[in-house]
Amino acid sequence: GAGVSQSPRYKVTKRGQDVALRCDPISGHVSLYWYRQALGQGPEFLTYFNYEAQQDKSGLPNDRFSAERPEGSISTLTIQRTEQRDSAMYRCASSYRTGGSYEQYFGPGTRLTVT
Amino acid sequence: SQQGEEDPQALSIQEGENATMNCSYKTSINNLQWYRQNSGRGLVHLILIRSNEREKHSGRLRVTLDTSKKSSSLLITASRAADTASYFCATDVNAGGTSYGKLTFGQGTILTVHP
Repeated sequence: GAGVSQSPRYKVTKRGQDVALRCDPISGHVSLYWYRQALGQGPEFLTYFNYEAQQDKSGLPNDRFSAERPEGSISTLTIQRTEQRDSAMYRCASSYRTGGSYEQYFGPGTRLTVT
Repeated sequence: SQQGEEDPQALSIQEGENATMNCSYKTSINNLQWYRQNSGRGLVHLILIRSNEREKHSGRLRVTLDTSKKSSSLLITASRAADTASYFCATDVNAGGTSYGKLTFGQGTILTVHP
């Protein structure tokens, strides 16, 4: 079956613009995670959903970042008033059920560049 | 913040040799996972070891976990050029017994296998 998909794959935007990054998880997966990965680093947790409920958003850097998953499937990560420091790879992952024992399947990521 | 520290940061070996990567972490965990990331591609889950396990095998992979030392190692035997990638350990931190898959990644080890 299809894996996790993300769109767009690449996004270049000017500072101050808003961007929306989309994640389409594997069908039937309950949990959805967003991570951010800087070059040469491992991914850092941003936020997590269980079905449509955002259970943990402790990793979101500031209030310019928000995420939703209104129907418990597709999720959108929105960054308002982008800044150059927001440039990174944004990765989405989904897992069958909630819990660290379940493998997370990662999407290809969205490379965001803020100029 | 990164919980895990991998070493070495980079490893270069010849095909057929074994590769060993180490990961240290700071807090109590539910489990530890290893992921592989090929250049320009997404993260792929390799193996998960629970906190009450000491060793686990999967094909050419062998993972050990020493919770007293808060460390893990990943051994790849009989390496192949296709194993060239970045390898990350990720911990599912034990936050009062709750585990929902919030992974904390290390900075990764870059493995290069020369044909």
